Amino acid sequence: KAGVTQTPRYLIKTRGQQVTLSCSPISGHRSVSWYQQTPGQGLQFLFEYFSETQRNKGNFPGRFSGRQFSNSRSEMNVSTLELGDSALYLCASSRQGTNYGYTFGSGTRLTVV
Amino acid sequence: AQTVTQSQPEMSVQEAETVTLSCTYDTSESDYYLFWYKQPPSRQMILVIRQEAYKQQNATENRFSVNFQKAAKSFSLKISDSQLGDAAMYFCASFTSSGNEKLTFGTGTRLTIIP
Repeated sequence: KAGVTQTPRYLIKTRGQQVTLSCSPISGHRSVSWYQQTPGQGLQFLFEYFSETQRNKGNFPGRFSGRQFSNSRSEMNVSTLELGDSALYLCASSRQGTNYGYTFGSGTRLTVV
Repeated sequence: AQTVTQSQPEMSVQEAETVTLSCTYDTSESDYYLFWYKQPPSRQMILVIRQEAYKQQNATENRFSVNFQKAAKSFSLKISDSQLGDAAMYFCASFTSSGNEKLTFGTGTRLTIIP
């Protein structure tokens, strides 16, 4: 069975631009979460979607937004990119909730120059 | 608020030997779950083992086992018969059922396997 698919794998953007990252969860998984991973801050929770509704959001500025579609696919958008947004963005899906553990994708490496 | 602490930034072990990675956590919740994830150079986080706090029995998955000390809020991972493929970053994480669907991660331990 296919795993969690994130596209693109790598992305280079310029400061001030915006970017959209995509995540396709495992079939049947309705919960999708996003995390940002940086060497300095480690893994930080961005937000979680379940059945097209954002259930939880982490402590990130409003430039970070997301959505989930009826097929459970999710997108994450970052507007007005800053150098500090350079990170590995990981998407994870779960069928029954976080307490069962996520299945993660391989991430999108975003570099802002 | 939950916190997860991994005090060993790096560890190394001889192939076929046993290594233990440390993790402590802090939560005021009574219902919570603990996890160890592995992140190899491929970047994908892989679930290694999961522990439910209300279960006293330590979780085991093949060569991986945990030592869950609830009173001490300690959750260490033991890897037996270490293999070259075990080389990775290992992250300890916690989750509580208080309604905020997120994992809180530690800072990770980089494990090197010496052939």
